[in-house]
Amino acid sequence: QLQLQESGPGLVKPSETLSLSCTVSGGSISGTTYYWGWIRQPPGKGLEWIGNINYSGGAYYNPSLKSRVTISVDTSKNQFSLRLSSVTATDTAVYYCATYNSGWNYFDYWGQGAPVTVSS
Amino acid sequence: EIVLTQSPGTLSLSPGERATLSCRASQSVSSSYLAWYQQKPGQAPRLLIYGASSRATAIPDRFSGSGSGTDFTLTISRLEPEDFAVYFCQQYFISPCTFGQGTKVEIK
Repeated sequence: QLQLQESGPGLVKPSETLSLSCTVSGGSISGTTYYWGWIRQPPGKGLEWIGNINYSGGAYYNPSLKSRVTISVDTSKNQFSLRLSSVTATDTAVYYCATYNSGWNYFDYWGQGAPVTVSS
Repeated sequence: EIVLTQSPGTLSLSPGERATLSCRASQSVSSSYLAWYQQKPGQAPRLLIYGASSRATAIPDRFSGSGSGTDFTLTISRLEPEDFAVYFCQQYFISPCTFGQGTKVEIK
């Protein structure tokens, strides 16, 4: 069974770049048909899809964030990463990485979540 | 963008009762691409239902999903104490992927 674990700074200053990684265990990131996704949840609010990427690097982003988001894969580390530039307080959220089943279009395995606060 | 509207916002029920949660889409969604998740405080969402009506691995059969077009339903036949949580629907029929705002099922 796949397991995912987010890592990265819990505090980011306004206007800077948020960077998170998701380490995959229990399987190879390049050996499956999964896509890999990022979803976030502001405090007390609902879920927002950020984007997905496949093992070969093809990425798909939420248009509302597309100008600021980059998702990438590092097969040598069995990781995929999120970069969100020019952050503001509205980017404060718990950030989840997850596997994305591209056949039925759902997220099945989730990381525990990484809380990120944007504040000076 | 497809907007998913969940109702009610909060459902107050007792253990053993039946819960019926609604998810309405702003435009038609293929049943194949409608999913439901459960989220407990401090935890990541957990996939319950995909394809509108297929239970995910290890999900008890008291959870069932139904619907088509713009109206989808999650039913919990008999609430167990561990079922009190927030439930979200999600579509990725048309990009971007979107989630409903959630329905909280609380103990009455």
